[in-house]
Amino acid sequence: SAVISQKPSRDICQRGTSLTIQCQVDSQVTMMFWYRQQPGQSLTLIATANQGSEATYESGFVIDKFPISRPNLTFSTLTVSNMSPEDSSIYLCSAEGVGSGELFFGEGSRLTVL
Amino acid sequence: SQQGEEDPQALSIQEGENATMNCSYKTSINNLQWYRQNSGRGLVHLILIRSNEREKHSGRLRVTLDTSKKSSSLLITASRAADTASYFCATEGNDKIIFGKGTRLHILP
Repeated sequence: SAVISQKPSRDICQRGTSLTIQCQVDSQVTMMFWYRQQPGQSLTLIATANQGSEATYESGFVIDKFPISRPNLTFSTLTVSNMSPEDSSIYLCSAEGVGSGELFFGEGSRLTVL
Repeated sequence: SQQGEEDPQALSIQEGENATMNCSYKTSINNLQWYRQNSGRGLVHLILIRSNEREKHSGRLRVTLDTSKKSSSLLITASRAADTASYFCATEGNDKIIFGKGTRLHILP
């Protein structure tokens, strides 16, 4: 199994600012993903974080708004840029175990934009 | 985009009873997975069933998959208070994993 550490766990931000969320995995994984979850709702895939190259974004999400890095196999960052109250949500980092297909999740970063 | 649709959206049962949740999806998949999420926490993987499998068991969990109907079910037997959580199905295909809307399960004492 893999343990995923995500930080910050929560933050309150002002409109127009940017916040970077970090995700560290303690073991080898294959794919890494970033999801967004509104309280009480399901998870929406933002993008697949690709090692050493540009992330693959889902419809409705763009690199300028959600730049993602993955400089190595076990670390990734998601930046929420030029935030508005609509960006208030829980952002979840996940990683797929080698050969298992199973996703491991961090505890999430709860972001509130005022 | 949302792939899986769980039903029911919410389910309340007495402790000790069995709970059944269903999931339908739209496109072809490599596998289907079920996850549990306790309030305010990250998701925990429960079980994975591959597209060429029809049934799988893990402890008190039983999962079925019908690829012809594009549906799956999760059965939790002899429910316990600790089973209270949201349950999500997730389908893997095209190198990504898409989650359904989830079922909120509440176990009554």
